[in-house]
Amino acid sequence: NAGVMQNPRHLVRRRGQEARLRCSPMKGHSHVYWYRQLPEEGLKFMVYLQKENIIDESGMPKERFSAEFPKEGPSILRIQQVVRGDSAAYFCASSPSQGNEQFFGPGTRLTVL
Amino acid sequence: RKEVEQDPGPFNVPEGATVAFNCTYSNSASQSFFWYRQDCRKEPKLLMSVYSSGNEDGRFTAQLNRASQYISLLIRDSKLSDSATYLCVVNLPNQGGKLIFGQGTELSVKP
Repeated sequence: NAGVMQNPRHLVRRRGQEARLRCSPMKGHSHVYWYRQLPEEGLKFMVYLQKENIIDESGMPKERFSAEFPKEGPSILRIQQVVRGDSAAYFCASSPSQGNEQFFGPGTRLTVL
Repeated sequence: RKEVEQDPGPFNVPEGATVAFNCTYSNSASQSFFWYRQDCRKEPKLLMSVYSSGNEDGRFTAQLNRASQYISLLIRDSKLSDSATYLCVVNLPNQGGKLIFGQGTELSVKP
């Protein structure tokens, strides 16, 4: 049973470009969470999705950031017009149901030049 | 006040030592509690869930005191491989299952 998969593992973008981060949850898991870890800081919740629905996006910056979890395919975290402050590790986690333990993917390390 | 607060680190201990981590949380309605470990800023890995009755897994013991809003993790007979950052994590009710992470406490076990 493969774990949570994320790609790419490393992503380099110049200021103003777009970044797309992908996450495939564990088999049988329909709940996906995205977290961000800025350098020298703890993990912070961004968004919680189920298939085709955003359940909680209270941790998402109001502009430039969006997320989706379509019926088919991985969950996507999209950052438009990236800035240097977006440089961070972005982790995706999945769980079989709300409130259960969450299992994390290896993360995508975004560097904005 | 932070939602989840942990002991500041780092903890530097010799192999075989017993080490205890403390954590407090601010929301008395918090429902689920976990300890995760994170190695070199890789993905967090679940170490154990924490139950009101306390629970043990080998060398690791977790305790929860709801009245004091306090969680602890005890590691006995520490190994070099225990070196990592330990994250205290809380799940709030009615908030969709999102996890609130403490800043983490770094542990370094020396030979």
